[in-house]
Amino acid sequence: KAGVTQTPRYLIKTRGQQVTLSCSPISGHRSVSWYQQTPGQGLQFLFEYFSETQRNKGNFPGRFSGRQFSNSRSEMNVSTLELGDSALYLCASSSLRDRGRDTQYFGPGTRLTVL
Amino acid sequence: AQKITQTQPGMFVQEKEAVTLDCTYDTSDQSYGLFWYKQPSSGEMIFLIYQGSYDEQNATEGRYSLNFQKARKSANLVISASQLGDSAMYFCAMREGGGGGFKTIFGAGTRLFVKA
Repeated sequence: KAGVTQTPRYLIKTRGQQVTLSCSPISGHRSVSWYQQTPGQGLQFLFEYFSETQRNKGNFPGRFSGRQFSNSRSEMNVSTLELGDSALYLCASSSLRDRGRDTQYFGPGTRLTVL
Repeated sequence: AQKITQTQPGMFVQEKEAVTLDCTYDTSDQSYGLFWYKQPSSGEMIFLIYQGSYDEQNATEGRYSLNFQKARKSANLVISASQLGDSAMYFCAMREGGGGGFKTIFGAGTRLFVKA
């Protein structure tokens, strides 16, 4: 079974631009979560999607948004980029079939650099 | 508030020896899951082991075992017979939630160095 895929793997943008990151979950997984990882703040939860609905959101400004499609693929968008948005963005999927063993599997991440 | 604490920023271990990475957590929920992930320099998060809050036995996965002490709210990872390839960042995480959605909180991580 193929793992979680994220595209692109690397991205360089300038301040003020916007960016869209894509995540394809493991086949059969309907839950997708996004995380931001920076050296200063560590791993921080952005949001979780399940069946095209955002069910949970972390403490990030409204410039960060996302969506999930009917095939469970998810996109994350950051508008009006700031230097502090430079980070590794990780996507994770889980099946939620067995809540007691809801393991999240992560993709390789997208490394975003804002100049 | 939910919180994960990893007090060891860095750890050294001799190859073939065992090492324990500490993790304490704080939650008011009764149902939660505890995870350990490994992150090599490539950046990908690799799932290692899971412990459910209602599991009575400590989880084991090959060379990895989780020392779960619920009353003390600790979930330490034990790696037996360390290998050079074990050098990486290790994150403890807690997943909570239910029908309204799930959220995973990560600790700051412990960087493990395995010496030959």
